[in-house]
Amino acid sequence: AQSVTQPDIHITVSEGASLELRCNYSYGATPYLFWYVQSPGQGLQLLLKYFSGDTLVQGIKGFEAEFKRSQSSFNLRKPSVHWSDAAEYFCAVGGAGNMLTFGGGTRLMVKP
Amino acid sequence: GAGVSQSPSNKVTEKGKDVELRCDPISGHTALYWYRQSLGQGLEFLIYFQGNSAPDKSGLPSDRFSAERTGGSVSTLTIQRTQQEDSAVYLCASMADAVRNQPQHFGDGTRLSIL
Repeated sequence: AQSVTQPDIHITVSEGASLELRCNYSYGATPYLFWYVQSPGQGLQLLLKYFSGDTLVQGIKGFEAEFKRSQSSFNLRKPSVHWSDAAEYFCAVGGAGNMLTFGGGTRLMVKP
Repeated sequence: GAGVSQSPSNKVTEKGKDVELRCDPISGHTALYWYRQSLGQGLEFLIYFQGNSAPDKSGLPSDRFSAERTGGSVSTLTIQRTQQEDSAVYLCASMADAVRNQPQHFGDGTRLSIL
């Protein structure tokens, strides 16, 4: 069965600092991977996706993620965090029928 | 264009009552998904519709939960005889089709509280 692990439940970074959110997946075939962001009271907004090809994918709001098959990882990065990036971030893998299996989420807090 | 619309945005009801949650997917999207987001369980898949095919109900937690999709568009998730553990945010997502290289687009969810 597929699974996603986000090891960090909470992360706090200073505004302007770099960010990396970790994601590890387990999937029997080539994974389709996603990062979503959720602000309080909102649904999930897609940040970026990986299907195939270049292992470094660019997303919205200055985010990028790198697929590393050997490490079964799909970590999300941003070079300089803004206060508006404070939210909860979910990594997901797409399975049969494209049902998504989500990680537990990482709550990002940004210090001024 | 219009995104996925869910109603109501909030629902408070008494234990034992039935509730209906509605999802209007993006026009033209053939695939529709329901997920549940709760404190203890995170985000869980509930049910999936693709076109006129039989839905995949493998994620429904009990037979008190059911869903239908009329005319290949609007979907209703029904919870009968609600229990306190049903309290959660119910999210709906739609996708252009169920081919794997498409992202899902989510609504803002219905926050369900069972008293």
